Amino acid sequence: KQEVTQIPAALSVPEGENLVLNCSFTDSAIYNLQWFRQDPGKGLTSLLLIQSSQREQTSGRLNASLDKSSGRSTLYIAASQPGDSATYLCAVRVQGAQKLVFGQGTRLTINP
Amino acid sequence: GAVVSQHPSWVICKSGTSVKIECRSLDFQATTMFWYRQFPKQSLMLMATSNEGSKATYEQGVEKDKFLINHASLTLSTLTVTSAHPEDSSFYICSAPGPGGSLAGLYNEQFFGPGTRLTVL
Repeated sequence: KQEVTQIPAALSVPEGENLVLNCSFTDSAIYNLQWFRQDPGKGLTSLLLIQSSQREQTSGRLNASLDKSSGRSTLYIAASQPGDSATYLCAVRVQGAQKLVFGQGTRLTINP
Repeated sequence: GAVVSQHPSWVICKSGTSVKIECRSLDFQATTMFWYRQFPKQSLMLMATSNEGSKATYEQGVEKDKFLINHASLTLSTLTVTSAHPEDSSFYICSAPGPGGSLAGLYNEQFFGPGTRLTVL
């Protein structure tokens, strides 16, 4: 059974810092991995999607990497801003299925 | 990206009543949609897979008679919480895979609705 873990559960940093969020999964037989952002009481916004054959994806100040063999992904946020404050969730799509398995999320707070 | 909407965004109901939540793909067709629930400060848990034209597939431990799912068309799936009780209070979110023929569809990127907050008194 696929399990996804995110560390840390919460993170608070001053504005301007670069930071890394971690995601690990137990079964390397994944189809893809997605990073999402969730603001309080809101739905999910897709940030980046990495296919199992890819090593990384970039969008603006965000960079996500994937090491499928070790079951790890990282989300790198450069030059953090207060508007980046949210919960970040990673999810993997298991091979042979369409459903996603989510991690518990990292609650990020960027202090002005 | 593809847009998924949900209605209502929030609902308060009395214990014992039924509540219907709609999930729509606004600018694309979705033969499959997914329903999740999220408890406060917890992650999303998949409840069921909604299939257009056939029965929904429920995850282990989810009562199919309590959470009725109907995928009425290629753009609409509904979740009905029957005989709701306070423990059913939660945030319900639906998602749909990106449309076929698009890059999102090719990569099977999933798009989520804004969620529905259900409070059962």
